[in-house]
Formats: sequence, structure tokens, C-alpha cells
Amino acid sequence: GAGVSQSPSNKVTEKGKDVELRCDPISGHTALYWYRQSLGQGLEFLIYFQGNSAPDKSGLPSDRFSAERTGGSVSTLTIQRTQQEDSAVYLCASSLGTGFFNEQFFGPGTRLTVL
Amino acid sequence: AQKITQTQPGMFVQEKEAVTLDCTYDTSDQSYGLFWYKQPSSGEMIFLIYQGSYDEQNATEGRYSLNFQKARKSANLVISASQLGDSAMYFCAMREGKNTGFQKLVFGTGTRLLVSP
Repeated sequence: GAGVSQSPSNKVTEKGKDVELRCDPISGHTALYWYRQSLGQGLEFLIYFQGNSAPDKSGLPSDRFSAERTGGSVSTLTIQRTQQEDSAVYLCASSLGTGFFNEQFFGPGTRLTVL
Repeated sequence: AQKITQTQPGMFVQEKEAVTLDCTYDTSDQSYGLFWYKQPSSGEMIFLIYQGSYDEQNATEGRYSLNFQKARKSANLVISASQLGDSAMYFCAMREGKNTGFQKLVFGTGTRLLVSP
């Protein structure tokens, strides 16, 4: 069965450009998460989508970051006017529901490098 | 304040031996869940084991067990009979709150485990 997929796997961009990162969750998973992993660090929560509810954006580091989820499935994380500190691996995860034990299945990540 | 603390940046173990990876957490909630994930060099996060705050018994999954000491707020991962394929980064994470809408995981900084032949 297909897991969470992310594209591109690697993205190199110049400072000031906009980038879009895509996430395809596991089919049937209603919850979708974005995390960021900087070099040598743990994962930092960015945003969470659950069904048709308003997303939890509490982890977005600045207004240059935004995300949307269309049709309850695919999600796109957009970073505008990228900065060098945005360089990180961006991981997407999805989960089946909203139970308290809620295993999150992670994708392989997109490695973003801002020159 | 840091919610999840992993004090061991790196650990070494010989093949077939057991190893304990430390994790302490900080929360004022009564309801929370603790997770361990493995991240091999490929980068994917692989779920290993889960412990709920109200679970009376320590969680076990194959060679993985979680030594949950609630009063000490620790949730150490024990890997028995280490294998070369266990070499990876290991992350402890917590989900807190009774509200099922509160879904985010808070991660520690990880421990890099190296298993030698």
C-alpha cells in the first residue's frame, strides 16, 4: 500500500524566491501534519489539518509560511520570500483519525536548501 | 521550557546487547501520550512504540519496550538484542491534552544510536 509521499525530494532555491512543497497523505487519513527538521534537531510542528476543521497554524514560524489542503487530501506548504534559515527538511505526516493514540505516518521529507 | 529532554546525543552498543535510550518529559496534563520514533539515514520517521499516561503496564513491541516511570516523568526506550539495522536516530515525542483536537507531537532532540558488530 502507498505511504505518505512528498515532492520534490530535494529543492534548492535562491534567497527571496517562493517555494511550494507537496504532500500526498495515505488514502483515507483525515489528519495531516507538517513538521520541520533543522540540521541536528528534532522535529518542530508547523501546522495540522483535520477534516474540514480550521487548521491549527500555531507552529508556523512567520507569515511567510502558509499551507492549504485541497479536498481533504493533498496539501501544499508554501514558503514565500525564502530565507537561509528556512533551510531544513520538511516532513509531512498523516493519521487515520482523532483518537488519543494517533500514530502519525511520515513521508520521506523534502530537503530545502536556500542559497 | 523544554517539554521533551533526551540527554544522550549519542549511544554505542554492541550487537546482541540491550540498550536504554533516555527520555524525560514535562507536562502538567494528566492525559498525555508518549511516542518513540526511529529515523534511519534515509530520513523517514518510523513509529516504534506508544505509552499512554493512564496505561498501567509498560508498552512492549517486539524487541522494543518502554520503561515508563510516571512519577519521575521518564519514558525510556529499551531495545533488546540490538541489531546492526537499529543504528539510527531515535526521537521521543509527546502528545498532551485531553482535547482530541490537540494533535501535535512535541519532539526531543534525539539520540543517535550506533550498533557495532
